[in-house]
Amino acid sequence: NAGVTQTPKFQVLKTGQSMTLQCAQDMNHNSMYWYRQDPGMGLRLIYYSASEGTTDKGEVPNGYNVSRLNKREFSLRLESAAPSQTSVYFCASREGTGATWEQFFGPGTRLTVL
Amino acid sequence: QKEVEQDPGPLSVPEGAIVSLNCTYSNSAFQYFMWYRQYSRKGPELLMYTYSSGNKEDGRFTAQVDKSSKYISLFIRDSQPSDSATYLCAMTGANSKLTFGKGITLSVRP
Repeated sequence: NAGVTQTPKFQVLKTGQSMTLQCAQDMNHNSMYWYRQDPGMGLRLIYYSASEGTTDKGEVPNGYNVSRLNKREFSLRLESAAPSQTSVYFCASREGTGATWEQFFGPGTRLTVL
Repeated sequence: QKEVEQDPGPLSVPEGAIVSLNCTYSNSAFQYFMWYRQYSRKGPELLMYTYSSGNKEDGRFTAQVDKSSKYISLFIRDSQPSDSATYLCAMTGANSKLTFGKGITLSVRP
């Protein structure tokens, strides 16, 4: 099992460009999450999907959109990138039933917006 | 005040030292407490979890929770250079979202 995979691993954008970060999990998990990690700020939740067909805003959703394409895939889109979106982005998944709260993380995407 | 506060670090200790990492929280709804370890340029991985006040031991690692004082700690005994990483506390209540501390970077010197 690959666990949680993310593409691309690195990306450099110019201000105003758009891009989609892809995430897929092969653990049959119900819940999926997108975080950003910045120095001194920890992990901050952007959006999450508690189950297939649902999405909700997290702590820092402005400037982002998400799509839960199916149970396996959860994508994050930047419509018009800004330098403030320079960050490391992590996708995570969780089984989502009962008290199974452990989240499994992908390797991250390092995004630089110039 | 943020819901979860974590000692900022960084922290540098000699090999073999006992390390204490701490977080405090303000939300009484938090019931499940975790420590994640993140190596450089990798995603976080769950290290330990607990849901009750008291201590939980796993090898050289001990997780401690004091719900009455709203703080959690992670102790590392006989620290090794391989323990060098960023440690993040995380906690959740009845919903599916985790709230993370900012993380502390630990360096264990050989």
